[in-house]
Amino acid sequence: SYELTQPPSVSVSPGQTARITCSGDALPKQYAYWYQQKPGQAPVLVIYKDSERPSGIPERFSGSSSGTTVTLTISGVQAEDEADYYCQSADSSGTYFHVVFGGGTKLTVL
Amino acid sequence: EVQLVQSGAEVKKPGESLKISCKGSGYSFTSYWIGWVRQMPGKGLEWMGIIYPGDSDTRYSPSFQGQVTISADKSISTAYLQWSSLKASDTAMYYCARLADDILTGANWFDPWGQGTLVTVSS
Repeated sequence: SYELTQPPSVSVSPGQTARITCSGDALPKQYAYWYQQKPGQAPVLVIYKDSERPSGIPERFSGSSSGTTVTLTISGVQAEDEADYYCQSADSSGTYFHVVFGGGTKLTVL
Repeated sequence: EVQLVQSGAEVKKPGESLKISCKGSGYSFTSYWIGWVRQMPGKGLEWMGIIYPGDSDTRYSPSFQGQVTISADKSISTAYLQWSSLKASDTAMYYCARLADDILTGANWFDPWGQGTLVTVSS
Protein backbone atom coordinates (compact mmCIF):
# COMPACT_ATOMS: atom_id res chain seq x y z
CA SER A 1 0.00 0.00 0.00
CA TYR A 2 1.06 3.62 -0.30
CA GLU A 3 1.32 6.52 2.09
CA LEU A 4 0.26 10.15 2.18
CA THR A 5 2.61 12.53 3.97
CA GLN A 6 1.50 15.79 5.60
CA PRO A 7 3.42 18.27 7.78
CA PRO A 8 2.45 17.82 11.44
CA SER A 9 1.71 21.49 11.94
CA VAL A 10 1.20 24.80 10.16
CA SER A 11 0.82 28.18 11.84
CA VAL A 12 -0.52 31.40 10.36
CA SER A 13 -1.81 34.75 11.58
CA PRO A 14 -5.44 35.74 11.02
CA GLY A 15 -6.02 37.09 7.53
CA GLN A 16 -2.96 35.36 6.10
CA THR A 17 -2.92 32.40 3.72
CA ALA A 18 -2.37 28.87 5.00
CA ARG A 19 -1.08 26.15 2.73
CA ILE A 20 -1.17 22.51 3.80
CA THR A 21 0.54 19.95 1.58
CA CYS A 22 0.00 16.24 1.10
CA SER A 23 2.48 14.10 -0.81
CA GLY A 24 2.15 10.61 -2.20
CA ASP A 25 3.44 8.63 -5.15
CA ALA A 26 -0.08 7.64 -6.23
CA LEU A 27 -1.46 11.17 -6.32
CA PRO A 28 -0.73 11.78 -10.02
CA LYS A 29 -3.14 8.89 -10.75
CA GLN A 30 -5.70 9.36 -7.99
CA TYR A 31 -7.81 12.22 -6.69
CA ALA A 32 -7.23 13.71 -3.26
CA TYR A 33 -9.80 14.84 -0.72
CA TRP A 34 -9.50 17.06 2.35
CA TYR A 35 -11.31 16.91 5.70
CA GLN A 36 -11.43 19.41 8.54
CA GLN A 37 -11.74 18.10 12.09
CA LYS A 38 -12.28 20.45 14.99
CA PRO A 39 -11.71 19.24 18.57
CA GLY A 40 -14.43 16.87 19.73
CA GLN A 41 -16.16 16.85 16.33
CA ALA A 42 -16.43 14.48 13.40
CA PRO A 43 -14.47 15.22 10.22
CA VAL A 44 -16.10 17.41 7.58
CA LEU A 45 -15.32 17.27 3.86
CA VAL A 46 -13.91 20.60 2.61
CA ILE A 47 -12.42 19.64 -0.79
CA TYR A 48 -13.09 16.70 -3.10
CA LYS A 49 -11.55 15.57 -6.40
CA ASP A 50 -8.43 17.72 -5.75
CA SER A 51 -10.13 21.10 -6.10
CA GLU A 52 -13.92 20.86 -5.89
CA ARG A 53 -15.60 22.58 -2.97
CA PRO A 54 -18.80 21.09 -1.46
CA SER A 55 -21.77 23.34 -1.00
CA GLY A 56 -21.63 25.19 2.29
CA ILE A 57 -17.83 25.32 2.42
CA PRO A 58 -16.50 28.90 2.36
CA GLU A 59 -14.80 30.10 -0.80
CA ARG A 60 -11.58 30.74 1.12
CA PHE A 61 -10.96 26.97 0.99
CA SER A 62 -9.38 25.77 -2.26
CA GLY A 63 -7.38 22.80 -3.47
CA SER A 64 -4.77 22.20 -6.14
CA SER A 65 -2.64 19.38 -7.47
CA SER A 66 0.82 19.20 -8.99
CA GLY A 67 2.57 15.91 -9.59
CA THR A 68 2.89 13.93 -6.38
CA THR A 69 1.70 16.81 -4.16
CA VAL A 70 -1.73 18.22 -3.48
CA THR A 71 -2.28 21.44 -1.53
CA LEU A 72 -5.13 22.76 0.57
CA THR A 73 -5.10 26.55 0.61
CA ILE A 74 -7.06 28.63 3.08
CA SER A 75 -7.08 32.30 2.08
CA GLY A 76 -7.79 34.94 4.68
CA VAL A 77 -7.58 32.48 7.56
CA GLN A 78 -10.05 33.02 10.38
CA ALA A 79 -9.82 31.88 13.98
CA GLU A 80 -12.59 29.34 13.33
CA ASP A 81 -10.34 27.58 10.79
CA GLU A 82 -8.08 26.31 13.56
CA ALA A 83 -8.43 22.52 13.29
CA ASP A 84 -6.78 19.32 12.16
CA TYR A 85 -6.80 18.74 8.41
CA TYR A 86 -6.49 15.32 6.77
CA CYS A 87 -5.92 14.42 3.14
CA GLN A 88 -7.28 11.17 1.75
CA SER A 89 -6.97 9.15 -1.42
CA ALA A 90 -8.58 5.95 -2.64
CA ASP A 91 -7.63 3.19 -5.05
CA SER A 92 -10.32 1.00 -6.55
CA SER A 93 -10.17 -1.53 -9.35
CA GLY A 94 -12.64 -4.38 -9.75
CA THR A 95 -13.05 -5.91 -6.29
CA TYR A 96 -9.97 -4.13 -4.91
CA PHE A 97 -10.60 -1.10 -2.77
CA HIS A 98 -8.24 0.76 -0.46
CA VAL A 99 -8.37 4.10 1.31
CA VAL A 100 -5.41 5.99 2.72
CA PHE A 101 -5.45 9.01 5.02
CA GLY A 102 -2.54 11.33 5.60
CA GLY A 103 -1.29 11.69 9.15
CA GLY A 104 -3.03 15.03 9.62
CA THR A 105 -1.87 18.63 9.96
CA LYS A 106 -2.74 20.81 12.93
CA LEU A 107 -3.49 24.34 11.76
CA THR A 108 -2.85 26.92 14.45
CA VAL A 109 -4.17 30.46 14.02
CA LEU A 110 -1.80 32.70 15.96
CA GLU B 1 -30.88 16.01 4.76
CA VAL B 2 -28.46 13.11 4.50
CA GLN B 3 -27.59 11.99 8.02
CA LEU B 4 -25.75 9.18 9.77
CA VAL B 5 -26.51 8.68 13.45
CA GLN B 6 -24.31 6.38 15.48
CA SER B 7 -25.00 4.50 18.70
CA GLY B 8 -23.79 5.82 22.03
CA ALA B 9 -20.51 5.48 23.89
CA GLU B 10 -19.54 2.07 25.22
CA VAL B 11 -17.36 0.96 28.13
CA LYS B 12 -16.30 -2.66 27.96
CA LYS B 13 -13.81 -5.08 29.54
CA PRO B 14 -11.10 -6.92 27.59
CA GLY B 15 -12.46 -10.11 26.06
CA GLU B 16 -16.03 -8.86 25.80
CA SER B 17 -17.92 -8.59 22.53
CA LEU B 18 -19.43 -5.42 21.10
CA LYS B 19 -21.55 -4.27 18.15
CA ILE B 20 -21.96 -0.58 17.38
CA SER B 21 -24.36 0.85 14.83
CA CYS B 22 -24.76 3.59 12.23
CA LYS B 23 -28.25 4.49 10.97
CA GLY B 24 -28.63 6.33 7.70
CA SER B 25 -31.49 8.61 6.70
CA GLY B 26 -32.35 11.13 4.00
CA TYR B 27 -31.11 9.03 1.10
CA SER B 28 -31.36 5.56 -0.47
CA PHE B 29 -29.38 3.55 2.09
CA THR B 30 -28.96 0.57 -0.25
CA SER B 31 -27.34 2.63 -3.01
CA TYR B 32 -24.20 3.90 -1.28
CA TRP B 33 -21.27 2.19 0.40
CA ILE B 34 -20.79 2.92 4.12
CA GLY B 35 -17.28 3.06 5.56
CA TRP B 36 -15.86 2.76 9.07
CA VAL B 37 -12.90 4.82 10.29
CA ARG B 38 -10.95 4.48 13.54
CA GLN B 39 -9.37 7.36 15.44
CA MET B 40 -7.29 6.35 18.44
CA PRO B 41 -6.85 8.92 21.22
CA GLY B 42 -4.81 11.87 19.96
CA LYS B 43 -4.11 10.15 16.65
CA GLY B 44 -5.15 10.35 13.00
CA LEU B 45 -7.80 8.67 10.88
CA GLU B 46 -7.51 5.02 9.83
CA TRP B 47 -9.77 3.38 7.27
CA MET B 48 -11.18 0.04 8.44
CA GLY B 49 -13.51 -1.13 5.70
CA ILE B 50 -16.65 -0.53 3.70
CA ILE B 51 -19.95 -2.29 3.08
CA TYR B 52 -22.58 -1.98 0.35
CA PRO B 53 -25.92 -2.40 2.17
CA GLY B 54 -27.69 -3.35 -1.04
CA ASP B 55 -26.01 -6.76 -1.15
CA SER B 56 -23.70 -6.69 1.93
CA ASP B 57 -20.58 -6.78 -0.26
CA THR B 58 -17.74 -5.91 2.13
CA ARG B 59 -14.11 -4.85 1.71
CA TYR B 60 -11.65 -4.63 4.58
CA SER B 61 -8.39 -2.79 5.08
CA PRO B 62 -5.62 -5.38 5.45
CA SER B 63 -4.89 -3.83 8.86
CA PHE B 64 -8.37 -4.72 10.14
CA GLN B 65 -9.20 -7.93 8.22
CA GLY B 66 -10.02 -10.61 10.76
CA GLN B 67 -10.06 -8.13 13.65
CA VAL B 68 -13.58 -6.77 13.15
CA THR B 69 -16.75 -7.64 11.26
CA ILE B 70 -18.74 -5.13 9.23
CA SER B 71 -22.38 -5.89 8.47
CA ALA B 72 -25.63 -4.16 7.53
CA ASP B 73 -29.38 -4.58 7.86
CA LYS B 74 -30.93 -2.80 4.91
CA SER B 75 -34.44 -3.25 6.28
CA ILE B 76 -33.63 -0.72 9.01
CA SER B 77 -30.98 1.31 7.12
CA THR B 78 -28.28 0.43 9.63
CA ALA B 79 -24.66 -0.61 9.33
CA TYR B 80 -22.70 -2.29 12.09
CA LEU B 81 -19.15 -2.73 13.32
CA GLN B 82 -18.50 -5.57 15.72
CA TRP B 83 -15.79 -7.21 17.77
CA SER B 84 -15.87 -10.74 19.18
CA SER B 85 -13.15 -10.18 21.79
CA LEU B 86 -12.14 -6.62 22.60
CA LYS B 87 -8.63 -5.56 23.55
CA ALA B 88 -7.45 -2.46 25.36
CA SER B 89 -5.91 -1.34 22.08
CA ASP B 90 -9.43 -1.13 20.55
CA THR B 91 -10.06 1.97 22.68
CA ALA B 92 -10.84 4.66 20.13
CA MET B 93 -13.48 6.82 18.49
CA TYR B 94 -15.15 5.04 15.59
CA TYR B 95 -16.82 6.93 12.76
CA CYS B 96 -19.09 5.74 10.00
CA ALA B 97 -19.30 7.75 6.80
CA ARG B 98 -21.11 7.49 3.49
CA LEU B 99 -18.83 6.80 0.55
CA ALA B 100 -19.63 9.18 -2.27
CA ASP B 101 -18.40 8.21 -5.68
CA ASP B 102 -18.08 9.49 -9.19
CA ILE B 103 -18.59 6.53 -11.51
CA LEU B 104 -17.11 8.32 -14.50
CA THR B 105 -13.80 9.15 -12.81
CA GLY B 106 -13.57 6.45 -10.14
CA ALA B 107 -13.31 9.06 -7.43
CA ASN B 108 -14.33 8.05 -3.87
CA TRP B 109 -14.69 10.23 -0.79
CA PHE B 110 -16.51 10.19 2.56
CA ASP B 111 -19.42 12.54 3.10
CA PRO B 112 -21.20 12.95 5.45
CA TRP B 113 -19.81 11.43 8.62
CA GLY B 114 -21.61 10.15 11.69
CA GLN B 115 -21.01 11.84 15.02
CA GLY B 116 -18.73 9.03 16.22
CA THR B 117 -18.96 6.30 18.85
CA LEU B 118 -16.38 6.27 21.63
CA VAL B 119 -15.38 2.75 22.65
CA THR B 120 -13.39 2.38 25.86
CA VAL B 121 -11.93 -1.01 26.74
CA SER B 122 -10.53 -1.23 30.25
CA SER B 123 -10.32 -3.77 33.02
